[in-house]
Amino acid sequence: ETGVTQSPTHLIKTRGQQVTLRCSSQSGHNTVSWYQQALGQGPQFIFQYYREEENGRGNFPPRFSGLQFPNYSSELNVNALELDDSALYLCASSLTGAYTEQFFGPGTRLTVL
Amino acid sequence: AQSVAQPEDQVNVAEGNPLTVKCTYSVSGNPYLFWYVQYPNRGLQFLLKYITGDNLVKGSYGFEAEFNKSQTSFHLKKPSALVSDSALYFCAVRALSGGYQKVTFGTGTKLQVIP
Repeated sequence: ETGVTQSPTHLIKTRGQQVTLRCSSQSGHNTVSWYQQALGQGPQFIFQYYREEENGRGNFPPRFSGLQFPNYSSELNVNALELDDSALYLCASSLTGAYTEQFFGPGTRLTVL
Repeated sequence: AQSVAQPEDQVNVAEGNPLTVKCTYSVSGNPYLFWYVQYPNRGLQFLLKYITGDNLVKGSYGFEAEFNKSQTSFHLKKPSALVSDSALYFCAVRALSGGYQKVTFGTGTKLQVIP
């Protein structure tokens, strides 16, 4: 059984650029969620995808968007990067259902200069 | 709106002593409550969850948590702390809101177990 993987590990971008982060779900999981974790803070829920459709979203602007593919892997896209977007981005996979626990990847550290 | 509060930024406990990490929540509807642990430069690892039924739930590494509906709390406990338990602990609530699932994490509590 393979765990959740994310790429890249680290990324440096400049303000105004666009970025794509990638996630491969744990085998058998059909739901993926993305979180933003600023330094010293708890993870903030960005959105969740189930069967390639968004079925949950936190308080993030539309420039944060995502995709889920038929193999349940996922992408997080952020347009028009701002300095405050610098954070650790976590991907988590799970079975469907609000009662299921999530399995997290190691994260992508994004730095916006 | 749902929320999670972890009132203590840091908890210090001597090795071998019992530990408690506090969590309170606010949510409309039935809450699904979770505890996760994060080690430095790592993602979060699931410890335990409360869905329904017995108010005392047992999880990984000897941890347990007590659900108290009247106090809207879900405190994490362990009878005897280990130095290796030192890490950052997050409480989370997952619930349906307007037909959508939403997950809210607390701000985290750093547990320091002193040898």
